[in-house]
Amino acid sequence: TQLLEQSPQFLSIQEGENLTVYCNSSSVFSSLQWYRQEPGEGPVLLVTVVTGGEVKKLKRLTFQFGDARKDSSLHITAAQPGDTGLYLCAGEKVSGGSNYKLTFGKGTLLTVNP
Amino acid sequence: ETGVTQSPTHLIKTRGQQVTLRCSSQSGHNTVSWYQQALGQGPQFIFQYYREEENGRGNFPPRFSGLQFPNYSSELNVNALELDDSALYLCASSTKGGNTEAFFGQGTRLTVV
Repeated sequence: TQLLEQSPQFLSIQEGENLTVYCNSSSVFSSLQWYRQEPGEGPVLLVTVVTGGEVKKLKRLTFQFGDARKDSSLHITAAQPGDTGLYLCAGEKVSGGSNYKLTFGKGTLLTVNP
Repeated sequence: ETGVTQSPTHLIKTRGQQVTLRCSSQSGHNTVSWYQQALGQGPQFIFQYYREEENGRGNFPPRFSGLQFPNYSSELNVNALELDDSALYLCASSTKGGNTEAFFGQGTRLTVV
């Protein structure tokens, strides 16, 4: 069972277009992280959101955490070919009082064509 | 660059064999988590080590085991390899506490034939 659902699974757009990727869950997370992964590499952390309703900006990337801390979105403005990659959201849950583990979505594979 | 290093980067093993993967955590981090990422999937949590003790485990059989050393580096051992164990194995280092930010290594690509 995938606790975090990401959509769309695949996205192919032209350079300069805007896009939004969604990460949804029925579970509440203490924090949510967005990663970008290139083929054969490990995920690279982009941002962590903690507070419900929080919005964070990283250059052309805008991240939002839902009010109920169950969902998040990533918006990219004026996408560039260098934005191409697999975007993963990961929720952090505390289980058993002390364990912090990340639950990942399947990811959104973004291709930005020149 | 995260400062988390994994070795080897690629490995080919035969079904039934055993494998050990290694991870050096980022300086100052005391927690290492291991993930398995199959092709086309997000990473799946295997287990976490904190101060040399297992601190949580995902839905993986006992033939997946691990160690953490006093310098916080870690090993992942898989016995009786199966074809479905072929995946990218990722280790992530972090510090204990809330709102953990995990920094990943480049991964070990394991192929079981």
